This record gives sequence, C-alpha cells and structure tokens, in this order.
Amino acid sequence: DAKTTQPPSMDCAEGRAANLPCNHSTISGNEYVYWYRQIHSQGPQYIIHGLKNNETNEMASLIITEDRKSSTLILPHATLRDTAVYYCIVRVRDNYGQNFVFGPGTRLSVLP
Amino acid sequence: GAVVSQHPSWVICKSGTSVKIECRSLDFQATTMFWYRQFPKQSLMLMATSNEGSKATYEQGVEKDKFLINHASLTLSTLTVTSAHPEDSSFYICSASLNRAWNIQYFGAGTRLSVL
Repeated sequence: DAKTTQPPSMDCAEGRAANLPCNHSTISGNEYVYWYRQIHSQGPQYIIHGLKNNETNEMASLIITEDRKSSTLILPHATLRDTAVYYCIVRVRDNYGQNFVFGPGTRLSVLP
Repeated sequence: GAVVSQHPSWVICKSGTSVKIECRSLDFQATTMFWYRQFPKQSLMLMATSNEGSKATYEQGVEKDKFLINHASLTLSTLTVTSAHPEDSSFYICSASLNRAWNIQYFGAGTRLSVL
C-alpha cells in the first residue's frame, strides 16, 4: 500500500471549514483514498473514501487532485466535536482480507 | 453503517492474570477481523488478523502464545492477553470488514487495559 504524508497538527476556528491535506504521490491506479478519524480514547471512525472523483457525504467532502497524488478532506463547518486525529490511508479496495495501515495522522484542534 | 461492539471498554487486572476481550460484529458477518494495539500518543499498530475457522495470523514481534485469538463464529473474535504484565497496558481495538464492495472497515470502541 502507498504511503501517505500528513501535517502533524492543524487548528481550525469553530464554524469555519477545516481543510486537511494528504500527500500520496506513490499511489497506484487501483488504490483508493480512505479517511478515518479517531476521537480521544475511541476507535477510529470511517469518514469517506474515493478513487479519483470528488466525493461528498453527510460528514465531509473529499477532493482528489487530477493526478491523484494528493487529496484534501474538507469538514465544511467544523465543530468542537470534530477535534480528533484524522488519518489518510490509501489501499486497494477489493482486498478485504487486509488491514488498514495507520500513519501518525493529523491532530485537528477546533478552537472556540 | 455496520456496528462493531467491543467488550469490556476498560479493564484493570493484576500482573500475571489473563484478560479476555470480545469483538462482535452486530449486524453483519465478518470472516476477517483485525486486532490493533495503540500506546499513548501513538498510532494504531496491527497485532494480528483473525480468520473465522482458522488460526490467526500474527504480525512480526507479536507473541502468539501471549495474545491468544479465537474467531469461532462469523460475528465474534476474542483476544486473550495471557499472564498480563504492566508493559501490556495499552488500548486494544478490533475492526471488521463487510465482505463486499467498498471494503470499509468498522472499528470497535476499544478496550483500555491497565495491568497493575
């Protein structure tokens, strides 16, 4: 699975959009981009995933660059409850027999 | 979404005792479940892959005789920490995947183990 690079920490004002970048320059054609987050002392929570098109769900939007070497997770209106560590993971979609490999992630602090 | 239940959420035990942690997929069947360990301020590290009806696959450096995994049904995997020591104190998390497209893994809430 391709490695990802994320900033170690970010701050965001409550009510503003939080834009979390992820670099995955060695991603291969059959690898998807997944985003999870982990609120303190809880298990990771699935947020969104995508291949090459931009995706949106009730939690967030995922913007993937045309060359697929980077992506951005957008939380449109961050709240204090969005404070968490956000993990960007790339892996093959169809291999459900393999685990997700977690890097250090980005620690997002939403400030009042 | 699918729900993975983990029990207990926290446990305190004396050194030398064994502790069993359960991981259940509540509304789906999972032939494969994963066990992770997370130390404070660190990321999740995979310990083992639990396969229903067969032996678990352990990551390098994880002692299979110390961390016993049983995946006896399609909805339950257990992790037993045998002869626990203070260095085994950690946050243990399980996950399971729906055996179909999208391959999203769902995680339990985790079990915090403190060994005195």
